[in-house]
Amino acid sequence: EPEVTQTPSHQVTQMGQEVILRCVPISNHLYFYWYRQILGQKVEFLVSFYNNEISEKSEIFDDQFSVERPDGSNFTLKIRSTKLEDSAMYFCASTGIGQFFGPGTRLTVL
Amino acid sequence: GESVGLHLPTLSVQEGDNSIINCAYSNSASDYFIWYKQESGKGPQFIIDIRSNMDKRQGQRVTVLLNKTVKHLSLQIAATQPGDSAVYFCAENGERTGANNLFFGTGTRLTVIP
Repeated sequence: EPEVTQTPSHQVTQMGQEVILRCVPISNHLYFYWYRQILGQKVEFLVSFYNNEISEKSEIFDDQFSVERPDGSNFTLKIRSTKLEDSAMYFCASTGIGQFFGPGTRLTVL
Repeated sequence: GESVGLHLPTLSVQEGDNSIINCAYSNSASDYFIWYKQESGKGPQFIIDIRSNMDKRQGQRVTVLLNKTVKHLSLQIAATQPGDSAVYFCAENGERTGANNLFFGTGTRLTVIP
């Protein structure tokens, strides 16, 4: 069964550093998303992406965040200058019949 | 803004019993709802979805009920098993958008007692 994959599973970085989180959505899905979940809290929408451009973004998705689909399979989330409060699980998702989530990347900012 | 909430943060059931997890939503414009299961350290796992033109949908051992009048959603799990222990989230698509970005509730932790 096809699934969304994400790498790395865990990323540790120093405050102020740039990180890139990678995702491979399910092939033939057209909408892609990033969500985050701070430990013990609910899943929060960050950004949706369709036809090589951002469809919608939340207030969380400020100028420090960017997304890219560099090729036909990968979908990336970049945080330019990480802050302590960026520490969270980051989930990629894609939509076909239903919205399917990847296993997440745990980002720890020290 | 959109608001999705859950009536009960925790639910414990005996193995073999049926479970009912409830969810309230506030945005009457929402027309798509999904239930997710999240096990510790994993991503949300799609369980079942329902569109607002339906009031009931059944899957394997799960049933989702939608009451648009009172903006209430429920997930029924039949013959609950230990493997069903997890946090369950309802999610809605809020204002109708083509992107279907989802707004999640805070979750209900289901514990199945063997």
